[in-house]
Amino acid sequence: KAGVTQTPRYLIKTRGQQVTLSCSPISGHRSVSWYQQTPGQGLQFLFEYFSETQRNKGNFPGRFSGRQFSNSRSEMNVSTLELGDSALYLCASSLATTSESSYNEQFFGPGTRLTVL
Amino acid sequence: GDSVTQMEGPVTLSEEAFLTINCTYTATGYPSLFWYVQYPGEGLQLLLKATKADDKGSNKGFEATYRKETTSFHLEKGSVQVSDSAVYFCALSRSGNQFYFGTGTSLTVIP
Repeated sequence: KAGVTQTPRYLIKTRGQQVTLSCSPISGHRSVSWYQQTPGQGLQFLFEYFSETQRNKGNFPGRFSGRQFSNSRSEMNVSTLELGDSALYLCASSLATTSESSYNEQFFGPGTRLTVL
Repeated sequence: GDSVTQMEGPVTLSEEAFLTINCTYTATGYPSLFWYVQYPGEGLQLLLKATKADDKGSNKGFEATYRKETTSFHLEKGSVQVSDSAVYFCALSRSGNQFYFGTGTSLTVIP
């Protein structure tokens, strides 16, 4: 079974530009979550999508947005890039069917390394 | 709000040494607790989990016990190997897929 794939793996942008990252979950997984990983802050939750709807959202500005398609693939968009947006962006998928579940194992992709100059 | 605090790294150990990485959490209710591992250039992988108090998660020689009275979930391994070199993350989840991660502890094991 193929794992979670993320494209591109590396990206270099300049301040003010926008960027779109893509995530393909494991086949059959309907939930996709996004995280930002930086050396200083560790992993921070951005948002989760389930059945094309944003179900949970972390504490990030509106410049960070996402969407999920009917095939469960997800994209994340960051507009008006800032230097501080440089990070590893991780996507994770799970079989989760309900937000009331106490635990859903997440499977992570290798990440997209974004550098903002 | 919910949060996880884990010991600062980096940690450097000799092969076959004993490993402890401390993790404490703050959460209302009864969260599930996890340890994830990230090898260089890869995404995170679930190492072990515990879903209720006094549960012990174990995998690949690693163990962690869910201690509600001390709100802790310390990771231990009796004899580390060079292949255990990685970054270890403690995490909690109270509901659905919203996870809270610690900042990670880098472990280097030298032969």
